[in-house]
Amino acid sequence: KNQVEQSPQSLIILEGKNCTLQCNYTVSPFSNLRWYKQDTGRGPVSLTIMTFSENTKSNGRYTATLDADTKQSSLHITASQLSDSASYICVVSDRGSTLGRLYFGRGTQLTVWP
Amino acid sequence: EADIYQTPRYLVIGTGKKITLECSQTMGHDKMYWYQQDPGMELHLIHYSYGVNSTEKGDLSSESTVSRIRTEHFPLTLESARPSHTSQYLCASSEKGQGNTIYFGEGSWLTVV
Repeated sequence: KNQVEQSPQSLIILEGKNCTLQCNYTVSPFSNLRWYKQDTGRGPVSLTIMTFSENTKSNGRYTATLDADTKQSSLHITASQLSDSASYICVVSDRGSTLGRLYFGRGTQLTVWP
Repeated sequence: EADIYQTPRYLVIGTGKKITLECSQTMGHDKMYWYQQDPGMELHLIHYSYGVNSTEKGDLSSESTVSRIRTEHFPLTLESARPSHTSQYLCASSEKGQGNTIYFGEGSWLTVV
């Protein structure tokens, strides 16, 4: 069964600290993996997209890694800011159909305290 | 910045009413999607479209319907709203092909009382 599991479910850190969010998936055949940031009550915003051949991608203070062999990904946030408080969603796409079906994780709820 | 817009943002309606959630994008994207998301839960695909006059049902069974008469417009309609339809509805769009960024609207929060 194709699934995307994220951990931790929630995380609280102090402003300025770093953190790492995890994503494990069983989706096959794999096409790409995306990380989205979703502020409360808003739509998700894309952070990174990685294909099979990419093992790291950065977007400012966000760095995503991908290990396609172990089917794991992580999102590292450096020097956290209050505005980083949001839900971070891991999304994996398969290549078994024209649509490229997307499998969504439930997200990690990050809270940054001053 | 994503140019995809949803209206209304928030809506409270009575059971049995008909409601249409509007979604428009100005990026010229062929693919458009509707997702349903309950608080703290994952997004579920309820409808999608490859282009004009193309609509398909998604993974989550839904009593809603959609239409795609124009490239930029993808409205979702509930003919008779029920409390079980209370949820957040997210519209999205992307270019053709896999691996392209999917842009989401801000969402429409629907409460049926």
